[in-house]
Amino acid sequence: DQQVKQNSPSLSVQEGRISILNCDYTNSMFDYFLWYKKYPAEGPTFLISISSIKDKNEDGRFTVFLNKSAKHLSLHIVPSQPGDSAVYFCAAPSSSNTGKLIFGQGTTLQVKP
Amino acid sequence: DAGVIQSPRHEVTEMGQEVTLRCKPISGHDYLFWYRQTMMRGLELLIYFNNNVPIDDSGMPEDRFSAKMPNASFSTLKIQPSEPRDSAVYFCASSLGAGSDTQYFGPGTRLTVL
Repeated sequence: DQQVKQNSPSLSVQEGRISILNCDYTNSMFDYFLWYKKYPAEGPTFLISISSIKDKNEDGRFTVFLNKSAKHLSLHIVPSQPGDSAVYFCAAPSSSNTGKLIFGQGTTLQVKP
Repeated sequence: DAGVIQSPRHEVTEMGQEVTLRCKPISGHDYLFWYRQTMMRGLELLIYFNNNVPIDDSGMPEDRFSAKMPNASFSTLKIQPSEPRDSAVYFCASSLGAGSDTQYFGPGTRLTVL
């Protein structure tokens, strides 16, 4: 049972344009979400997060939106840069008092110069 | 801080051999996680420790897999005997706390079992 789903395996955008990466979840008890970025031959690195008490969190070029009713979140990157090309994972803790993160399958973003 | 350190970075072994992956978490972090990444299953949690004690090993695929954390600065993931389907990238991560605390990942060990 895939509780966190990223249905788009890949996305290609032009430099300077907006990148939108999507994530859906099935467990309504999830109350915190994270995005990780992963370059080849490196481990994932934390990018941005959002609590379920918010519907938006912004950090520079990166904004995460949360729609609880739709059980959907999205990561917006504006403007996209070639260095943003990476695999992006969304994740959620299975509960607030455990360390267990449930990851989506990942979306490979390619930003073309 | 050097971050999470994993060794080896690459491991090629033959089916049936024992494989030991090593991890040094970030100093002061109380949680340590072992993940496996494959094309089929993505990034999945195998086991995690809190203060050197295994808390959840429900992701460990079989008895061939075992993990230990003898002290706060070292953990191992062992596969004995290894099989070709164990080929994957294995990540170790650590965090200060649970839940929403950020997990910091090591660079991973790419394991190939022939």
